Amino acid sequence: QKEVEQDPGPLSVPEGAIVSLNCTYSNSAFQYFMWYRQYSRKGPELLMYTYSSGNKEDGRFTAQVDKSSKYISLFIRDSQPSDSATYLCAMSSKTSYDKVIFGPGTSLSVIP
Amino acid sequence: DAGVTQSPTHLIKTRGQQVTLRCSPKSGHDTVSWYQQALGQGPQFIFQYYEEEERQRGNFPDRFSGHQFPNYSSELNVNALLLGDSALYLCASSPRTGVYEQYFGPGTRLTVT
Repeated sequence: QKEVEQDPGPLSVPEGAIVSLNCTYSNSAFQYFMWYRQYSRKGPELLMYTYSSGNKEDGRFTAQVDKSSKYISLFIRDSQPSDSATYLCAMSSKTSYDKVIFGPGTSLSVIP
Repeated sequence: DAGVTQSPTHLIKTRGQQVTLRCSPKSGHDTVSWYQQALGQGPQFIFQYYEEEERQRGNFPDRFSGHQFPNYSSELNVNALLLGDSALYLCASSPRTGVYEQYFGPGTRLTVT
């Protein structure tokens, strides 16, 4: 079993839809949870991070963490064609000197 | 703020050769991590440098080595290149206070023929 798994996708939605992207993990030591967006042939771009369980909102994006279920989600409201990218979840167990483990990514296409 | 920069952008090497990739971190960041990303996969952690020392290492062979300089910039060296080393190599920098605030460079695309 991989440490971090993501819904395989690809995901295709109409413009304006609410998108749900999900990851599960196996290591209960993970405490920091990040979401990255990666456009084709570019480096990943940090969208947001959360610590432990709970919700965090930033504009159209909401991150949720459920440590009891080892499950995290990213919701995108009012999706736009510019949101079309690969979304990567990532996790670490400490603040410093720690490896960050990434999921395989979910490809999202938002159709105008 | 220039953000994280990497050089070169693209590189083509032959099996058995050696390669050096370079990275300059974002201003204010002192920790540098390197990742390998194969096509269609998430980034795989290679190693992390802080205070010029390797602090963490992923599951990569000793052919992969690195260095961090006093100005926090870093190099990734790969010896005895294999076809399977073809990938996008990403450098990420973060502040000492949080690896969760990690910012990536555009990457170096390495092709081994």
